Amino acid sequence: AQSVTQLGSHVSVSEGALVLLRCNYSSSVPPYLFWYVQYPNQGLQLLLKYTSAATLVKGINGFEAEFKKSETSFHLTKPSAHMSDAAEYFCAVSGQDMRFGAGTRLTVKP
Amino acid sequence: DTEVTQTPKHLVMGMTNKKSLKCEQHMGHRAMYWYKQKAKKPPELMFVYSYEKLSINESVPSRFSPECPNSSLLNLHLHALQPEDSALYLCASSQGALSSYEQYFGPGTRLTVT
Repeated sequence: AQSVTQLGSHVSVSEGALVLLRCNYSSSVPPYLFWYVQYPNQGLQLLLKYTSAATLVKGINGFEAEFKKSETSFHLTKPSAHMSDAAEYFCAVSGQDMRFGAGTRLTVKP
Repeated sequence: DTEVTQTPKHLVMGMTNKKSLKCEQHMGHRAMYWYKQKAKKPPELMFVYSYEKLSINESVPSRFSPECPNSSLLNLHLHALQPEDSALYLCASSQGALSSYEQYFGPGTRLTVT
């Protein structure tokens, strides 16, 4: 069965610092991978998805993720954090259905 | 338009009540989903409809009854719920049920069972 593991339930960065949210996947076939963001009291918003077309995927709001098969990873990065990036981030893998990681709460300090 | 709408935004119901949650999308998507999300947890899949037919039921108790009247609408009928059913209920849709399609989520209905 496919699954994802998000390393770190809480990440705190200063405004302007690099954001790195970690996700590792487990899949016996080439996976379809996604990153979603959830702001308080809202639904999930798609940031980006990987579907094997390119290993570096650019998403909305300045986020990008790199698919590394050798490391079974799909980490999410943003060069410079903004206060508005504070939210819950979910990595997900899609097979028969979509399976979400446990989530990482990003806090941005002024 | 990539919007999925859900009504109501908030719902408080007693354990003997019957209520319904509604979800609507006008993106021409042919797959629709219900998820349950408890606080500080990821969404958990409840049901999947593909081409208006129920394709996945993740062993959800019968007090939750989904309905897909047409390709744009998805309902979740609630009856005799328990306090532990209090959660955020999210609806989502995708172009199809294939794994490569991303899902678009609505804002959710915050359900409280008293």
